[in-house]
Amino acid sequence: DADVTQTPRNRITKTGKRIMLECSQTKGHDRMYWYRQDPGLGLRLIYYSFDVKDINKGEISDGYSVSRQAQAKFSLSLESAIPNQTALYFCATSDPPSTANNEQFFGPGTRLTVL
Amino acid sequence: GQQVMQIPQYQHVQEGEDFTTYCNSSTTLSNIQWYKQRPGGHPVFLIQLVKSGEVKKQKRLTFQFGEAKKNSSLHITATQTTDVGTYFCAGRRHGQNFVFGPGTRLSVLP
Repeated sequence: DADVTQTPRNRITKTGKRIMLECSQTKGHDRMYWYRQDPGLGLRLIYYSFDVKDINKGEISDGYSVSRQAQAKFSLSLESAIPNQTALYFCATSDPPSTANNEQFFGPGTRLTVL
Repeated sequence: GQQVMQIPQYQHVQEGEDFTTYCNSSTTLSNIQWYKQRPGGHPVFLIQLVKSGEVKKQKRLTFQFGEAKKNSSLHITATQTTDVGTYFCAGRRHGQNFVFGPGTRLSVLP
């Protein structure tokens, strides 16, 4: 089974709709992240959480909100979707920087289209 | 804020040729990571570099961290079709999150 899962994998929605993307992990990591990927722009950090009670804005948080329901679950919401939020969204988890690699483990991604 | 650049944006090579992608940061980094994303897939961690001037090898891949810890490179010797994908560097300043570069997309022609 995959260590980091995301649902849905694909979603088409209309402008103004509220949408939630969900992420679950079995890695046991405290740190979780939400990124969006756009062609030519790499991965940009939306929000991150270092534990259940910790939520932080990333580089591009406007128009998004998150909820850390448990250590294993981190959801991303678009309160009122707009077309320029059409992108590929990735959830990731990691150990703290003090560990050997603190590599990020990414989920399979959610392709979101806002019409 | 911190910026991480990568060049080239795209690279097309013939199978068997070498390939290099370069990563440059606007600020001195604590460490740098490299990831590979296959077409239609998700980024997968390749390696982390921490020390100034560090060089690490993984089979045909050679990773280097610059002396000033502001740049890095990934070199692939004798590319294979399995090397196709986008290679991202991600740099981290002390106490900050990783910032990803825009990636270099590699195509390998058989």
